[in-house]
Amino acid sequence: GQQLNQSPQSMFIQEGEDVSMNCTSSSIFNTWLWYKQDPGEGPVLLIALYKAGELTSNGRLTAQFGITRKDSFLNISASIPSDVGIYFCAGQLVPIKAAGNKLTFGGGTRVLVKP
Amino acid sequence: DGGITQSPKYLFRKEGQNVTLSCEQNLNHDAMYWYRQDPGQGLRLIYYSQIVNDFQKGDIAEGYSVSREKKESFPLTVTSAQKNPTAFYLCASSRAGFNSGANVLTFGAGSRLTVL
Repeated sequence: GQQLNQSPQSMFIQEGEDVSMNCTSSSIFNTWLWYKQDPGEGPVLLIALYKAGELTSNGRLTAQFGITRKDSFLNISASIPSDVGIYFCAGQLVPIKAAGNKLTFGGGTRVLVKP
Repeated sequence: DGGITQSPKYLFRKEGQNVTLSCEQNLNHDAMYWYRQDPGQGLRLIYYSQIVNDFQKGDIAEGYSVSREKKESFPLTVTSAQKNPTAFYLCASSRAGFNSGANVLTFGAGSRLTVL
């Protein structure tokens, strides 16, 4: 089945740093979504990407839909303590009636604060 | 405000018991989903429903059952057949059904099930 490889699996941030994470797929996607999950809560949508090459920002967050349609990255600029959490990428193919329109999720990048 | 409500937030179950997790949405969304999340892991799809009275198995449906009698509600039953049920369960919904160009999930706050 489809696989999404998200990296890094975890990272430590220091306040003010820029951080990046990415997702790669063995399949071509038509939609990429980035979610953030706080401890004990459900994921919340950060950015949605719908076109290859698209670069979209949401405050200090910037995400890009890769030209090959097999990858996406998320960048956080000038990180702050509340950026801590788990970030998930999710991809979706053009829906096929037999398969529905399920999302495929990456394994998540856990962002932690440097001690 | 519209959203998804999951209950209970925390649930303890003895081995051999069935337990039902509630999921209600007032977003007027057509599709609803159940995901399982294990510590340090991503989200795995259990069941999904594109329309009332219809649902499909996801990637890890064994040991679970669902119903979709109303558009707003999609309860998940964790049966005694599920060998390792301790996990965080997330319900989600989306606007689009089939043939959608982009399908964005809205998640509930989750239910944490612990088997004693």
